[in-house]
Amino acid sequence: DVKVTQSSRYLVKRTGEKVFLECVQDMDHENMFWYRQDPGLGLRLIYFSYDVKMKEKGDIPEGYSVSREKKERFSLILESASTNQTSMYLCASSFGQPSYEQYFGPGTRLTVT
Amino acid sequence: AQKVTQAQTEISVVEKEDVTLDCVYETRDTTYYLFWYKQPPSGELVFLIRRNSFDEQNEISGRYSWNFQKSTSSFNFTITASQVVDSAVYFCALSEARSGYSTLTFGKGTMLLVSP
Repeated sequence: DVKVTQSSRYLVKRTGEKVFLECVQDMDHENMFWYRQDPGLGLRLIYFSYDVKMKEKGDIPEGYSVSREKKERFSLILESASTNQTSMYLCASSFGQPSYEQYFGPGTRLTVT
Repeated sequence: AQKVTQAQTEISVVEKEDVTLDCVYETRDTTYYLFWYKQPPSGELVFLIRRNSFDEQNEISGRYSWNFQKSTSSFNFTITASQVVDSAVYFCALSEARSGYSTLTFGKGTMLLVSP
């Protein structure tokens, strides 16, 4: 079974804090993705990575950065958290070809106060 | 730009009713892939089905069936004899080539509530 794990299910941070969200997959997938999910807006792609140390901006990269130092791990970084970054964050991974489905982690519900 | 529209925001049915979730997509690609995912209350998205643009055969898996029609750019999902455990948010998604790599464009989802 494919396993995508995220470091926390729930996280509460203060405005201005630096926040790290970690994601690990165990299926040797080339691609990894970070989404945020908000009511009425569906899933929006923040960043994705197609290889170690490689990254591409998604639809809403502002205020975020990412790091992929190892193939199995993809980190999302909020340099200075703001209240409008309160959201559900979902990590996913897949093989490289477009025909392959993405496998999702359980999500991290981040609240910034 | 590619687009996926799920016009139904929320659907409520009573157990044992059949229900169809609509998905309409837009793309200029001739080769593309469509997906359906289920997100139960626990939050984790679960892959249900993949369909490529060259395969218009309908698919049935137990109580689930999918109808893909290129002529209307639709990929609808039907649950037969719905059960309470089917209550979830369902997302339709379209693969997209972005910077030479594949990403998914998701619809906004349809929340299905099945009551006993």
